[in-house]
Amino acid sequence: AQTVTQSQPEMSVQEAETVTLSCTYDTSENNYYLFWYKQPPSRQMILVIRQEAYKQQNATENRFSVNFQKAAKSFSLKISDSQLGDTAMYFCAFFFSGTYKYIFGTGTRLKVLA
Amino acid sequence: DSGVTQTPKHLITATGQRVTLRCSPRSGDLSVYWYQQSLDQGLQFLIQYYNGEERAKGNILERFSAQQFPDLHSELNLSSLELGDSALYFCASSPGGAHQETQYFGPGTRLLVL
Repeated sequence: AQTVTQSQPEMSVQEAETVTLSCTYDTSENNYYLFWYKQPPSRQMILVIRQEAYKQQNATENRFSVNFQKAAKSFSLKISDSQLGDTAMYFCAFFFSGTYKYIFGTGTRLKVLA
Repeated sequence: DSGVTQTPKHLITATGQRVTLRCSPRSGDLSVYWYQQSLDQGLQFLIQYYNGEERAKGNILERFSAQQFPDLHSELNLSSLELGDSALYFCASSPGGAHQETQYFGPGTRLLVL
C-alpha cells in the first residue's frame, strides 16, 4: 500500500524568507508523479509544481522548487522569498501509475508573517 | 478563476437523502475528476472520467456514483446520505487523460448532512 506523510501540521515564516515543507512517502512502484498543491483560505486547490519520478532534475517554478530524493522517498517543497499570498494549506500528492491511484498527504498549514 | 464551475456552492440536506452535484469542466478539457475533502479523511480521490468513460477509480463508496455526459459535464450522485458524508466536494478537469497533466480545480460544493 502507498502512504504519504506530511509531518509538519503547521509552519510559519517571515515575509521574504525561505521555508521548506517536507513530504515523505512509501511505495513499491517505480512509475509515479508527484505534485504540490496549494489551498488558500478561499479553499480553491491550485497546482504549485509537479515532478515526474523518472526525472532526476528537480522541478522549479519561479519561487517554488522541489527537492526530490527518490531513494529516500522524500519530496520537499522550497518556497523562496515568501510572500503574504503564500499563506495557505499545502498538500503533497502522488499519482501511482501501477495502481492508478491519487493519494494526498494530510497537509501543512503555512502562515507567512509580515 | 480556473474555468471549472460547480453547482451548487452549498447544499444542506438530511440523512438518508440523495443529492446531485454538478461540474462543468474548462472548455476543451476531456477529463473530469471528483474529490472529497473532509476533516477526518483529508482529501480523497473519488473517480475520474475521460471523454465519457470511467478512467480511474479511487475511494468512492457504493452509495456514490458519477457520470460524464456527451457535453462533457459531469454529475456526482450521493445517495443514502450519512452524517460522515458532510464534506467539500471538488471537481477538477484536465485537457486529456494523462495523469501527469495539470488538474484545474473548481471552487467546490460544500455539503452538510444533518
